[in-house]
Amino acid sequence: GAVVSQHPSRVICKSGTSVKIECRSLDFQATTMFWYRQFPKQSLMLMATSNEGSKATYEQGVEKDKFLINHASLTLSTLTVTSAHPEDSSFYICSARWGDYDNEQFFGPGTRLTVL
Amino acid sequence: AQKVTQAQTEISVVEKEDVTLDCVYETRDTTYYLFWYKQPPSGELVFLIRRNSFDEQNEISGRYSWNFQKSTSSFNFTITASQVVDSAVYFCALSENTNAGKSTFGDGTTLTVKP
Repeated sequence: GAVVSQHPSRVICKSGTSVKIECRSLDFQATTMFWYRQFPKQSLMLMATSNEGSKATYEQGVEKDKFLINHASLTLSTLTVTSAHPEDSSFYICSARWGDYDNEQFFGPGTRLTVL
Repeated sequence: AQKVTQAQTEISVVEKEDVTLDCVYETRDTTYYLFWYKQPPSGELVFLIRRNSFDEQNEISGRYSWNFQKSTSSFNFTITASQVVDSAVYFCALSENTNAGKSTFGDGTTLTVKP
């Protein structure tokens, strides 16, 4: 299957700093990328949907100024957690989709963010 | 709005037992996709199966099988002769065709297979 990578896989930062997470589709062009967040022992919750070259669409309750998403190319989307706080500590997972009609999604391995 | 319910929070079985994980979904779309994912302790999501709403055929892949019934809006997952390596959290997910491919996940079922 298609491969999606995330970098870094794990990051620890101090409160107040910003952290950037990259999501790359390695062998296909992703028209759409999704960002999910998963708290310990909970399910994945969709944060936002990003399409290449346009602004991301955020789910209700997700602060767009705190979670900046950039989808500059068909193979790269970035999520920046600005002024991170301990409550932002979570597992962030991206997924990528190709095509407009096929809902096959390929998930990245996830990034574990710990904010001290 | 789409919704996925996995009523079983935790299941514990002994190795070689068969186990079925339940998944019930709600959607107003006629075209949608259902998924099962496995999340081992490492955290990485492992894709298991994708099924579209027009294909109700049951599927078998090795020790895994899936039973899709539109009449009851269920997409259950059975592991035959379970093994310790099957221990993980399993998520059922739904993606509506009209919803730009966004997936809604169930809360997950934690499966523990004891030796």
